[in-house]
Amino acid sequence: SQTIHQWPATLVQPVGSPLSLECTVEGTSNPNLYWYRQAAGRGLQLLFYSVGIGQISSEVPQNLSASRPQDRQFILSSKKLLLSDSGFYLCAWRGSGGLGTQYFGPGTRLLVL
Amino acid sequence: QQQVKQSPQSLIVQKGGISIINCAYENTAFDYFPWYQQFPGKGPALLIAIRPDVSEKKEGRFTISFNKSAKQFSLHIMDSQPGDSATYFCAASMETNAGKSTFGDGTTLTVKP
Repeated sequence: SQTIHQWPATLVQPVGSPLSLECTVEGTSNPNLYWYRQAAGRGLQLLFYSVGIGQISSEVPQNLSASRPQDRQFILSSKKLLLSDSGFYLCAWRGSGGLGTQYFGPGTRLLVL
Repeated sequence: QQQVKQSPQSLIVQKGGISIINCAYENTAFDYFPWYQQFPGKGPALLIAIRPDVSEKKEGRFTISFNKSAKQFSLHIMDSQPGDSATYFCAASMETNAGKSTFGDGTTLTVKP
């Protein structure tokens, strides 16, 4: 069966510090991968998606970047965090040839102080 | 064109009652409509999904009703239970668009005992 992991679960970072969030998927090959941000009590904002290694599409221009160094690894990064980067970050995967269901990871709670 | 509008924003139902959440979309190219359930601090999880060639799908106490001509779909939770208290998101996606999903803003459901 497929599983998706995210870490860390919680992160408190000062403004201006770098960020690296990691997401890995097990049990599937060539998945589509997605990064979302969810503000408190709000919906899901798609940040980046990837259909293959090294292929990254950005949905919203901002202080973040994403990379996909391996088939089942997706990384969200920032060189200098802003207060507005605080939120709940979710990684999701979808089978490249399957139905439209996305499967979400447990999320990372980021607080920028 | 890419928006999915969800209502109500919040909903309070008595135990045993029926919870109804509605969504409307504009883009007729959407071909997959999932509903996700999210508990606090967790990632969303697929609850039930439907394709536009079907007008209704039922899984246990959860039913999706789909009206293609009106471009609307809804989630019905029968015999609502306190354990159903969560945030519900509708979504719409296209197979040809890297499987990206457009999410509604969510409905926070509270089922009172």
